[in-house]
Amino acid sequence: DGGITQSPKYLFRKEGQNVTLSCEQNLNHDAMYWYRQDPGQGLRLIYYSQIVNDFQKGDIAEGYSVSREKKESFPLTVTSAQKNPTAFYLCASWDRADTEAFFGQGTRLTVV
Amino acid sequence: AQSVTQPDIHITVSEGASLELRCNYSYGATPYLFWYVQSPGQGLQLLLKYFSGDTLVQGIKGFEAEFKRSQSSFNLRKPSVHWSDAAEYFCAVGARGNTGKLIFGQGTTLQVKP
Repeated sequence: DGGITQSPKYLFRKEGQNVTLSCEQNLNHDAMYWYRQDPGQGLRLIYYSQIVNDFQKGDIAEGYSVSREKKESFPLTVTSAQKNPTAFYLCASWDRADTEAFFGQGTRLTVV
Repeated sequence: AQSVTQPDIHITVSEGASLELRCNYSYGATPYLFWYVQSPGQGLQLLLKYFSGDTLVQGIKGFEAEFKRSQSSFNLRKPSVHWSDAAEYFCAVGARGNTGKLIFGQGTTLQVKP
């Protein structure tokens, strides 16, 4: 089945450590996105990529980094510079033909 | 600036009752409009979308939404709510140009009473 796979589902990080969240899609979509979800704030865009080897900052990119070396993969690194990283992170891809976003199941990151 | 407002943070309805979730947006032109549903700890599932044409759109699970340009609204409705509809609902707008960049509202949590 086609879809978006995020791993791990739960992730714990000590303060001062970088951590990388995985996002893989087999939908053959060019565009991919990372959102952060906090209670009562909806989803906020962190980074997005319209094509391989290119990506742009979203509204809350500070403290995060991404890469897009392959069409299928769009990993997100939460760096130690991110002041409040505990959140639910959602990856999505965009189907230009159907004008629709498809979401992964999310990764819950907790800083301990 | 583009924005989406969902005025109701939390709504409780009885099973079998009708439902309306409100969504207002601010955008320079008619955007793409979406409603998504999220179960706890899960990703988002598309309920319905509007681009143009008939302002009343039908979606999955018996949901519908009506686009009202004069009110900048895209409210979600369901005639009879089922207990399985309890979830969080997000309204989102996307810019014309098919970039996939979406702006989300804060979400409305729906609780269903038996």
